[in-house]
Amino acid sequence: EAAVTQSPRSKVAVTGGKVTLSCHQTNNHDYMYWYRQDTGHGLRLIHYSYVADSTEKGDIPDGYKASRPSQENFSLILELASLSQTAVYFCASSYWGQDTQYFGPGTRLLVL
Amino acid sequence: GQQVKQSSPSLTVQEGGISILNCDYENDMFDYFAWYKKYPDNSPTLLISVRSNVDKREDGRLTVFLNKSGKHFSLHITASQPEDTAVYLCAAGARGQQGTGSKLSFGKGAKLTVSP
Repeated sequence: EAAVTQSPRSKVAVTGGKVTLSCHQTNNHDYMYWYRQDTGHGLRLIHYSYVADSTEKGDIPDGYKASRPSQENFSLILELASLSQTAVYFCASSYWGQDTQYFGPGTRLLVL
Repeated sequence: GQQVKQSSPSLTVQEGGISILNCDYENDMFDYFAWYKKYPDNSPTLLISVRSNVDKREDGRLTVFLNKSGKHFSLHITASQPEDTAVYLCAAGARGQQGTGSKLSFGKGAKLTVSP
């Protein structure tokens, strides 16, 4: 039974449009993260959160917003999608005080 | 700049051989080091990790070696099997204040192919 789920699993968006990627975890974890994966770049941290109603910038936050309305849910928002945001996006979660991160299945986003 | 580097993007090993994957890091504050495994179109999963107070950890066929002075860590897989074929991501992080979990920096990944 998957503990970190993402929706949608894939999406095609138009340049300039708004995109919302959703992540839900049933691990009862405190931390949640959003990463993007691009060929040649590995995983890069966009935003993360350690408590509901609070988010922190990761290493590449420009062009993205995040929202953590509850412990279980964490969204990544692209207000004005751009071609360069075509990538696979992974959500992850972890316990406070522990380092192991548990990843969701990923969302493949194509911006045209 | 990239804080964690995997210099070799791919590696091919014969079945039964030893696979060695390498990772270099830049940040002196990193105290947690991990290897994740990723199959195509799947999510990364943790294989093995180590804290900076040890320089080696074994788990079955897997061993992580940590060289803090050289800012280098590696993953050794003995008796490599075709099912070990995957992308391996190294990751490193520094424990935050108040003992919080580490914010991880990942390498670009290295594709290991184990040929029968």
